[in-house]
Amino acid sequence: GAGVSQSPSNKVTEKGKDVELRCDPISGHTALYWYRQSLGQGLEFLIYFQGNSAPDKSGLPSDRFSAERTGGSVSTLTIQRTQQEDSAVYLCASSLAGYGAEQYFGPGTRLTVT
Amino acid sequence: GQQVMQIPQYQHVQEGEDFTTYCNSSTTLSNIQWYKQRPGGHPVFLIQLVKSGEVKKQKRLTFQFGEAKKNSSLHITATQTTDVGTYFCAGGVGKLIFGQGTELSVKP
Repeated sequence: GAGVSQSPSNKVTEKGKDVELRCDPISGHTALYWYRQSLGQGLEFLIYFQGNSAPDKSGLPSDRFSAERTGGSVSTLTIQRTQQEDSAVYLCASSLAGYGAEQYFGPGTRLTVT
Repeated sequence: GQQVMQIPQYQHVQEGEDFTTYCNSSTTLSNIQWYKQRPGGHPVFLIQLVKSGEVKKQKRLTFQFGEAKKNSSLHITATQTTDVGTYFCAGGVGKLIFGQGTELSVKP
């Protein structure tokens, strides 16, 4: 079946612009996660959605970052007034259940802020 | 806060040599997962351990969960060039915290 998809695969933007990154999770997966991975680094947790529960936003690095999940499916990560330090690969993952379940990752969006 | 530390950061081996990466937590974990990320790829789930002292094997890969559920290891026997990539552990109580990963390179 289809895996997690993300769009765009690459995004180059100018400093100060807003960007939106999209994630389509695996159908039926109730949990969705966003991570950030800088070059050669580990995975930095950003935000977690599970069903109709309030999202866990504890990993968002600043108020310029926000995310929504509409209808329990597609999610959009928005970064406002982008900065050069926002340049990274943004990975989305979904899982059949919540925390502790196997996570399926998408291919990521590589964001470059010039 | 909860931290998951992984060592070493890099490991370069000759093909056929063994490889081990270690994962340590400051707190007791309810479970631990291991992922592999090939160069240019995304993390792919390998396995999950939940029981104290648990050992699981997948062909040449052996995964262990410590008795105190605070540490874990991944051992690869007789590495092959296909083993190249970064291996991440992820553990927690509830939210999974990813380690920084161990990048494995294998010289043929």
